[in-house]
Amino acid sequence: DIQLTQSPSTLSASLGDRVTITCRATQSIGSAMAWYQQKPGKAPKLLIYDASSLESGVPSRFSGSGSGTELTLTISSLQADDFATYYCQQYETYPWTFGQGTKVEIK
Amino acid sequence: QITMKESGPTLVKPTQTLTLTCTFSGFSLSARGVGVGWIRQPLGKALEWLSFVYWDDAKVYSPSLRPRLTITKDTSKNQVVLTMTNMDPVDTATYYCVRKHPQSAADYWGQGTLVTVSS
Repeated sequence: DIQLTQSPSTLSASLGDRVTITCRATQSIGSAMAWYQQKPGKAPKLLIYDASSLESGVPSRFSGSGSGTELTLTISSLQADDFATYYCQQYETYPWTFGQGTKVEIK
Repeated sequence: QITMKESGPTLVKPTQTLTLTCTFSGFSLSARGVGVGWIRQPLGKALEWLSFVYWDDAKVYSPSLRPRLTITKDTSKNQVVLTMTNMDPVDTATYYCVRKHPQSAADYWGQGTLVTVSS
């Protein structure tokens, strides 16, 4: 199985900050990565697919980059609605695997 | 508008079989490349992929759970059913039904259903 490691596990940030979350894979996944946002008690929401494609309706402050074994999610200017947990997920090969999550907290 | 909704028991006893139904609308599971499946999440923990069934009835399963899982589809009813045998307290989790986009990720999710395994 491909293991995904997200860093950091927790991130404290202020409104307007630029935030970057990294996901490292144990083998190359090309661009077959998605990023999800999850708020407490809610289902995850797809933000980014194919490493850098923005899902319809997702604000443009979210972006994804990278390929291979190191990929990133960036929030260019953190808004109040962005405090949540973020997960990376690879779909290059089965079984699909997820990172352990990054919780973005208010500083 | 695409919607996904899970249904099934909220409480099962250890060793029992869990049967979950996903009822969806807004798309057809006969459309080329589309899949529907399940992802679960223990409280406070990360997401775990379980299984997909595809438009052509191809099925994929988590290797670690494969002996216990069966997924089926009823295209005419817009339903997908997951059964998991020999339930254990460690299987306590919120189970999500998801649609897999033909070329990429899980683009639509149900609200999730919490299943507790306890005697």
